[in-house]
Amino acid sequence: EVHLLESGGGLIQPGGSLRLSCIASGFTFSNYAMTWVRQAPGRGLEWVSSISTNADSTYYADSVKGRFTISRDDSRDTLYLQMNSLRAEDTAVYYCAKNRLVVVTAPIDYWGQGVLVTVSS
Amino acid sequence: EIMLTQSAGTLSLSPGERASLSCRASQSVSSSYLAWYQQKPGQAPRLLIYGASSRATGIPDRFSGSGSGTDFTLTISRLEPEDFAVYYCQQYGSSITFGQGTRLEIK
Repeated sequence: EVHLLESGGGLIQPGGSLRLSCIASGFTFSNYAMTWVRQAPGRGLEWVSSISTNADSTYYADSVKGRFTISRDDSRDTLYLQMNSLRAEDTAVYYCAKNRLVVVTAPIDYWGQGVLVTVSS
Repeated sequence: EIMLTQSAGTLSLSPGERASLSCRASQSVSSSYLAWYQQKPGQAPRLLIYGASSRATGIPDRFSGSGSGTDFTLTISRLEPEDFAVYYCQQYGSSITFGQGTRLEIK
């Protein structure tokens, strides 16, 4: 059974940094592209970032480009999201998600339960 | 960036009725790289349909997807009580974008 467990969320002041982690199990992590999606309170889904297998390529939404960095450690079956220069508008539940295929251009077939990031002074 | 517009913010229907949810793209979605997700309160989204019309694993056959180019539809043939939720379309052919969602509520 596929399982994605996020951690690292919490309350952070504007301008601060946070690193989210997602430990994957139940599938061969290195064989799939991975994605972060966020959802602000009461709002819709917003794609944040995706990473290819072997970390060859990374992709970012314009809203986070230059501030967030996605990475993966296939030896630890773990996906990361380093978030710097955080803003109030980054407040959201962040979901770790598995792409259905090896490529980034694939739908998301499994989602974690999400971790809440609150940016506030 | 391809924008996706889900025309109905909220759809009010009764169990047993047929639901048709619309998703329109600002430009053609390549290779029908269009998916639909269902999200219930307090839960993560669940993949229903990918490739515009392929059902994901374990999804009941009352859910179907259709469309190509810029116009796509998710149809639920006969609504069950557990189908009342928020539905999102997503395109993954050119970067990734989501529609704003359609809330399907019990009438």
